[in-house]
Amino acid sequence: DTAVSQTPKYLVTQMGNDKSIKCEQNLGHDTMYWYKQDSKKFLKIMFSYNNKELIINETVPNRFSPKSPDKAHLNLHINSLELGDSAVYFCASSQAGIRGETQYFGPGTRLLVL
Amino acid sequence: AQSVAQPEDQVNVAEGNPLTVKCTYSVSGNPYLFWYVQYPNRGLQFLLKYITGDNLVKGSYGFEAEFNKSQTSFHLKKPSALVSDSALYFCVGGQAAGNKLTFGGGTRVLVKP
Repeated sequence: DTAVSQTPKYLVTQMGNDKSIKCEQNLGHDTMYWYKQDSKKFLKIMFSYNNKELIINETVPNRFSPKSPDKAHLNLHINSLELGDSAVYFCASSQAGIRGETQYFGPGTRLLVL
Repeated sequence: AQSVAQPEDQVNVAEGNPLTVKCTYSVSGNPYLFWYVQYPNRGLQFLLKYITGDNLVKGSYGFEAEFNKSQTSFHLKKPSALVSDSALYFCVGGQAAGNKLTFGGGTRVLVKP
């Protein structure tokens, strides 16, 4: 069974479109995260939710809006896509979001904006 | 502010030779540190972590890392590298608030047969 899953795996779209990426974890964790990996492989956190409540919100354009319908799901909606949004987006989860916990990552969603 | 540095973009090693991937950190307070590995077109896999206790941490796939407070380093090591160890390795530091992780820039390891 896949612990942290993301859909879709690949996403190719035009500038200006709105798209969503879904993430689900079956680990029973309370905390979920979104990370962005750029073309140089640099990884940076975007958001974190604990039990459906937003706890980390980095400096991210407000075109990006996370939504957590329940603690097993954290979706990422992106409005008005721009070329610079092309990246790999990783979802992760951890038990309770406390210091020192291991985060478990999904396989990534490769977004290409044309 | 916290930062994690990996001074080498790439490390080349022959199969069977020891592998070392370097990492230094800068944090306030007690650090906690991780190593993750990313295989091509795959997600990140946890290798090991240091929180407190023994400075030598053993992890998955025969990897270990040594926490050195005086040198603010957390180098990843494997005594005998395999071709299958070829991947991108990330040193990661953690902060107290919300378990926010700060990633190093990554080091690509190439193990040649």
